[in-house]
Amino acid sequence: AQRVTQPEKLLSVFKGAPVELKCNYSYSGSPELFWYVQYSRQRLQLLLRHISRESIKGFTADLNKGETSFHLKKPFAQEEDSAMYYCALSGGSNTGKLIFGQGTTLQVKP
Amino acid sequence: DTEVTQTPKHLVMGMTNKKSLKCEQHMGHRAMYWYKQKAKKPPELMFVYSYEKLSINESVPSRFSPECPNSSLLNLHLHALQPEDSALYLCASSRTVLGNTGELFFGEGSRLTVL
Repeated sequence: AQRVTQPEKLLSVFKGAPVELKCNYSYSGSPELFWYVQYSRQRLQLLLRHISRESIKGFTADLNKGETSFHLKKPFAQEEDSAMYYCALSGGSNTGKLIFGQGTTLQVKP
Repeated sequence: DTEVTQTPKHLVMGMTNKKSLKCEQHMGHRAMYWYKQKAKKPPELMFVYSYEKLSINESVPSRFSPECPNSSLLNLHLHALQPEDSALYLCASSRTVLGNTGELFFGEGSRLTVL
């Protein structure tokens, strides 16, 4: 079964501290994974995707097929990073199906 | 225009009413989606349209009826809803159905309350 697990509902850190938002997935094929973010009173938007291997707003995520993980990391958290973060799995090429994890609220304290 | 626009933003309806949610995009995207989001929960896929044809229906009850009149518009017709259908309904679009790009553009949602 295709599944995305984000074990933490809430992650609270101080400004300047490192951040790691955990995501594990279950998928039989070759996964396509993404992180979406929703800032307060804003629409849900794509943060980054694993195939791009990009860094957006200082965030990176590496796909680890051995551990079936796609954790989101940032070395120094900023207050403006406070938001809801969803890890998502594409359910097969050209299906149009995106499966979201339960989400983790990141709270960055001053 | 790089936005997905949804109307109305808020809708209150009785269980016997018929109403519609509308979604519009002018990015030339050929895939459009309806998601349902309950409070503090992730979005759940309801329908996918690809090139104006319904390609995925996630076993959604027939009281929800999607329609894609053209490549820019997506409607969700509502009839005989139940109070448990109260939720935020999100529309999204993508260049084509998801493959390696995976970028969905979401609207702000229509918050539906069924009395």
